[in-house]
Amino acid sequence: GQQVMQIPQYQHVQEGEDFTTYCNSSTTLSNIQWYKQRPGGHPVFLIQLVKSGEVKKQKRLTFQFGEAKKNSSLHITATQTTDVGTYFCAGGYQKVTFGIGTKLQVIP
Amino acid sequence: DTAVSQTPKYLVTQMGNDKSIKCEQNLGHDTMYWYKQDSKKFLKIMFSYNNKELIINETVPNRFSPKSPDKAHLNLHINSLELGDSAVYFCASRPWDRGGTEAFFGQGTRLTVV
Repeated sequence: GQQVMQIPQYQHVQEGEDFTTYCNSSTTLSNIQWYKQRPGGHPVFLIQLVKSGEVKKQKRLTFQFGEAKKNSSLHITATQTTDVGTYFCAGGYQKVTFGIGTKLQVIP
Repeated sequence: DTAVSQTPKYLVTQMGNDKSIKCEQNLGHDTMYWYKQDSKKFLKIMFSYNNKELIINETVPNRFSPKSPDKAHLNLHINSLELGDSAVYFCASRPWDRGGTEAFFGQGTRLTVV
């Protein structure tokens, strides 16, 4: 079945540094979604990518979908303490399979 | 207004007990899900219902039984609770006819089996 791998699992950065998490699927994805879960909270949708090679930006966040539609990345420029949380990628049309998540800690 | 609401938020119970978690969504979505998030934060899909019909049933012990009385509700009943069932259980919903859309999650139910 479809597997979605995500690396790294944990990342500590100094406030102001950049951060990137990578997502890889064993199969071609129809779409990729990214979610953020704050500590003690629930996953909240950030964005969806559909097209091969697509790049989308949300303020300091940049999302990319690979040309082969099997990988994706989320890059945060100049992290802030409000960026703390676990970032999940998720793929699949009806059955949404989540990656293991990357837990981001931002040190003030 | 809460889009996806789960009750209870916290549940502490003894091994061997039977418990239920309720979920309701007021978004008019056709599809609802149950996810289990373990201590390592891995989100694993358990079940999915579309318009009261079970469409996804992952390898989950048959002690777990979902029930959907209508498309706005998806409850999870767990029999003979075990220590390993301790986790956070999330309900989620999304439209059916647009499968590639965002999922809305409930606040989660933290189940602790002692």
